[in-house]
Amino acid sequence: EAGVAQSPRYKIIEKRQSVAFWCNPISGHATLYWYQQILGQGPKLLIQFQNNGVVDDSQLPKDRFSAERLKGVDSTLKIQPAKLEDSAVYLCASSLVPGGAGSGNTIYFGEGSWLTVV
Amino acid sequence: DAKTTQPPSMDCAEGRAANLPCNHSTISGNEYVYWYRQIHSQGPQYIIHGLKNNETNEMASLIITEDRKSSTLILPHATLRDTAVYYCIVPKGSWGKLQFGAGTQVVVTP
Repeated sequence: EAGVAQSPRYKIIEKRQSVAFWCNPISGHATLYWYQQILGQGPKLLIQFQNNGVVDDSQLPKDRFSAERLKGVDSTLKIQPAKLEDSAVYLCASSLVPGGAGSGNTIYFGEGSWLTVV
Repeated sequence: DAKTTQPPSMDCAEGRAANLPCNHSTISGNEYVYWYRQIHSQGPQYIIHGLKNNETNEMASLIITEDRKSSTLILPHATLRDTAVYYCIVPKGSWGKLQFGAGTQVVVTP
């Protein structure tokens, strides 16, 4: 079974530029998550989709971050304009059934997209 | 989420069992205990999760105490490739999030 696919793997941009990350979840997985992991810290949830609807985006800095999952399959996370503090790994994850981790779902992560803002 | 407490680091000899403790004394009756690990430069990897009973899979065993206030992840025969940060997480409610703390840095030595 193919895992969660993410691209690009690495990206370096200048501050105030924009960047987009793409995620293709495991086939058939209804729930998709985007996490941000700053160096030395644990991952932090940015947004959770159930099919093509947003379940939780309370931690997403909406002034500069946006995410969509238009057809309920793959997803794009965009940052515009980027700041130095956005340098991090952006992780995509997915789970098969509706509901959060608290319902016993297994959530699978991709390898992440590494962003450096200079 | 129910707060979890893990030791910041542990060493383990290759071939020996690694026992990773986690305290979650504020856990509620219907909250699951999850374990993930993260090897350097990789995404978090699911290991195991459980509710009340002990669980075992091809990677590890999860032992949950009867009062559910603590658990232990057991890697039966640690290898060098098990060197990673291990996270114990208790999501709150059915829509609970995986909230990652600092975890335990496990170093397996030859």
